[in-house]
Amino acid sequence: EDQVTQSPEALRLQEGESSSLNCSYTVSGLRGLFWYRQDPGKGPEFLFTLYSAGEEKEKERLKATLTKKESFLHITAPKPEDSATYLCAVPRPRISGSARQLTFGSGTQLTVLP
Amino acid sequence: DVKVTQSSRYLVKRTGEKVFLECVQDMDHENMFWYRQDPGLGLRLIYFSYDVKMKEKGDIPEGYSVSREKKERFSLILESASTNQTSMYLCASSPRVKDYGYTFGSGTRLTVV
Repeated sequence: EDQVTQSPEALRLQEGESSSLNCSYTVSGLRGLFWYRQDPGKGPEFLFTLYSAGEEKEKERLKATLTKKESFLHITAPKPEDSATYLCAVPRPRISGSARQLTFGSGTQLTVLP
Repeated sequence: DVKVTQSSRYLVKRTGEKVFLECVQDMDHENMFWYRQDPGLGLRLIYFSYDVKMKEKGDIPEGYSVSREKKERFSLILESASTNQTSMYLCASSPRVKDYGYTFGSGTRLTVV
């Protein structure tokens, strides 16, 4: 069974203090890894898709990287508006004709203090 | 610019009541999903649908049912609400072609008393 584990559960940073969030997974064959951002009281919002080891994606102060067993979300010089819960997810094998299901991690709650 | 709309942000229901959670998407997506989100447990899939009138069980379907009579609408039904169904419920949709591209609604916070 696919498993997705995120660490740390919570992270508090000072504004400008760079850090990384971790997403480790055990899957029978990686079909991609997805990062989402979730603000309090809202649904998750898609950030990145990574498909192969060594791949990197960037968006503003965020950079996602992928190895064969884990993914990192690097946050460079974060600002208070980056405070949110960050979720990663991996797709399950799709049964022909059906929809792709995602298995989500429990998330890392990031707080950036001014 | 709202794309996935959940009918209620907050709901309070009594134990034993039949509860309907509605979700509507305006992106013509084939796939729709219902998740619940609980602290420490993450997002867990309840039911999903890949076409009108088609439905499949997710990981935790017990105590729930769904209905998809139209492509844009996917309803989650709690047949007899219980306190352990108090949770945040999230609806999502995705297109068949790019079916990992989930778009989520804002969620319904359901409290069963």
